[in-house]
Amino acid sequence: EDQVTQSPEALRLQEGESSSLNCSYTVSGLRGLFWYRQDPGKGPEFLFTLYSAGEEKEKERLKATLTKKESFLHITAPKPEDSATYLCAVGDSIQGAQKLVFGQGTRLTINP
Amino acid sequence: KAGVTQTPRYLIKTRGQQVTLSCSPISGHRSVSWYQQTPGQGLQFLFEYFSETQRNKGNFPGRFSGRQFSNSRSEMNVSTLELGDSALYLCASNSGGPLGYTFGSGTRLTVV
Repeated sequence: EDQVTQSPEALRLQEGESSSLNCSYTVSGLRGLFWYRQDPGKGPEFLFTLYSAGEEKEKERLKATLTKKESFLHITAPKPEDSATYLCAVGDSIQGAQKLVFGQGTRLTINP
Repeated sequence: KAGVTQTPRYLIKTRGQQVTLSCSPISGHRSVSWYQQTPGQGLQFLFEYFSETQRNKGNFPGRFSGRQFSNSRSEMNVSTLELGDSALYLCASNSGGPLGYTFGSGTRLTVV
């Protein structure tokens, strides 16, 4: 059974203090590693999809990387508006019907 | 471009009642998935529909059901509501490409 574990559960940083969030996974066959951002009272907002070990993607202050067993979301010089819960998910496809298996998320708080 | 629209945003129901939630996907998206989000279990997959056919189902009791119409709009129904069904129900649509699923803002269901 696919499993996704995110750490830490919560992280509090000062504005400008860079850090990384971890997502470790066990899957029978990876069909995409997804990162989402979720603000309170809203649905998850898509950030990145990674498919193969060694792949990296960047967007503004965020950079996602992927190895065979884990993914990292690096946050460089964060701002208060980066405060949110960051969710990691792996894609599991059965007969083309993909479902996402989510981790519990990391609640990130950036203090000004 | 309109996003994924879920109605209603909030619902309060009594134990034993049934409820129907609605989801309109992004225009052109034929795959619609439903997820349940609770503080304890996180985001869990309910089911996925493509061209009016359920292709994948999560580990939920038969009280949870859904359907998709020819215009790709989807509904999910929960019968004989229990207190534990209180959650944020999220709908997501996908064009089948690598950009992942786009989520709606969800329906917050409270069972009293």
